[in-house]
Amino acid sequence: KAGVTQTPRYLIKTRGQQVTLSCSPISGHRSVSWYQQTPGQGLQFLFEYFSETQRNKGNFPGRFSGRQFSNSRSEMNVSTLELGDSALYLCASSFGVNTEAFFGQGTRLTVV
Amino acid sequence: EDKVVQSPLSLVVHEGDTVTLNCSYEVTNFRSLLWYKQEKKAPTFLFMLTSSGIEKKSGRLSSILDKKELSSILNITATQTGDSAIYLCAVPPPMYSGGGADGLTFGKGTHLIIQP
Repeated sequence: KAGVTQTPRYLIKTRGQQVTLSCSPISGHRSVSWYQQTPGQGLQFLFEYFSETQRNKGNFPGRFSGRQFSNSRSEMNVSTLELGDSALYLCASSFGVNTEAFFGQGTRLTVV
Repeated sequence: EDKVVQSPLSLVVHEGDTVTLNCSYEVTNFRSLLWYKQEKKAPTFLFMLTSSGIEKKSGRLSSILDKKELSSILNITATQTGDSAIYLCAVPPPMYSGGGADGLTFGKGTHLIIQP
């Protein structure tokens, strides 16, 4: 069974640009969550999608957005990139109620 | 706001030692507590503890939930260099509207280094 797949693995962008990251969940999983991981703040929740609906959102500015498609694949977008957006972005998928989340390998975003 | 605190933040031990990692939590309505191991990129799932499953074991790793003390420990016996990683503890939020995992609140993690 394939795991959670995130693309691309690495990205370098310039301040002010925008970026789109992709996540394909484990087959059969309908929930996809996104997290930002930085050395200072640790893992912080961005948002969660279930059946194409955003059900939960963390404390991030509106520049961070996402969506989920009918096949459960999800994308997150960051507009007007800032240096502080440099981080590892992790996606996790899960099957159902109170079940464990499985993480992808992440996308390492560097903003210069 | 949910809070998860892990200790110690870093730990260096020798191969063969036994380690105990701590996680304390404050949540409005406890549902579960999860442990993950993060080596390079993806955190890998270790255990999920709930009110009906307060003790889990897998090989040299074991975890116990203490609901009275609002804490959990992760034990690793006979440590090996491959156990070197960041160990993360997380709790899901109390509000729940259906299937799927909500946003997990993570602790800062314990960076464990096993020296040969």
